[in-house]
Amino acid sequence: DVKVTQSSRYLVKRTGEKVFLECVQDMDHENMFWYRQDPGLGLRLIYFSYDVKMKEKGDIPEGYSVSREKKERFSLILESASTNQTSMYLCASSSGDHSNQPQHFGDGTRLSIL
Amino acid sequence: GQNIDQPTEMTATEGAIVQINCTYQTSGFNGLFWYQQHAGEAPTFLSYNVLDGLEEKGRFSSFLSRSKGYSYLLLKELQMKDSASYLCAVLDSNYQLIWGAGTKLIIKP
Repeated sequence: DVKVTQSSRYLVKRTGEKVFLECVQDMDHENMFWYRQDPGLGLRLIYFSYDVKMKEKGDIPEGYSVSREKKERFSLILESASTNQTSMYLCASSSGDHSNQPQHFGDGTRLSIL
Repeated sequence: GQNIDQPTEMTATEGAIVQINCTYQTSGFNGLFWYQQHAGEAPTFLSYNVLDGLEEKGRFSSFLSRSKGYSYLLLKELQMKDSASYLCAVLDSNYQLIWGAGTKLIIKP
């Protein structure tokens, strides 16, 4: 079974802090994704990566950056946290090129910025 | 723009059948996914349709009509554990997933 592990289920940070969210997958998947999920909205893609050291902007990259130094790990960084970044953050991975393979999700990190 | 529409909330009775609709307008189409998400948990994959027609998987079936930009998820013999949100997502011409906001399904005894 695919396992996608996010480092924290709940996180509380202060405005202006630099925040790191970590995600690790154990299935040697090429593709990894970061989403945020807010009530009444669909999942919104922040960044994704198709390979080590590669990254692509999604629909809402502003205020975020990512790092993929190893194939199994994809980190999301909030450079200077703001209250409008309070959200549920979901990491996902999938296999294949131009993939129609399903994405497998971690349990999510509920982040509160005070 | 790209758009996925699903009802916000539906209610059904245990043991009954429910159909959750999804309509989409996207730039290109490379398939449609359905996911289930229980409250506070990760979305989990249910089905993938790329050709027109009905795909059956146990109590769950998914239907696609590409010409109508329409899909539905059919849940039979509803159980209390089926209470969850159901997310529709379309893979567009760039192989990017476009997500609907999800349908919250409430099952009553």
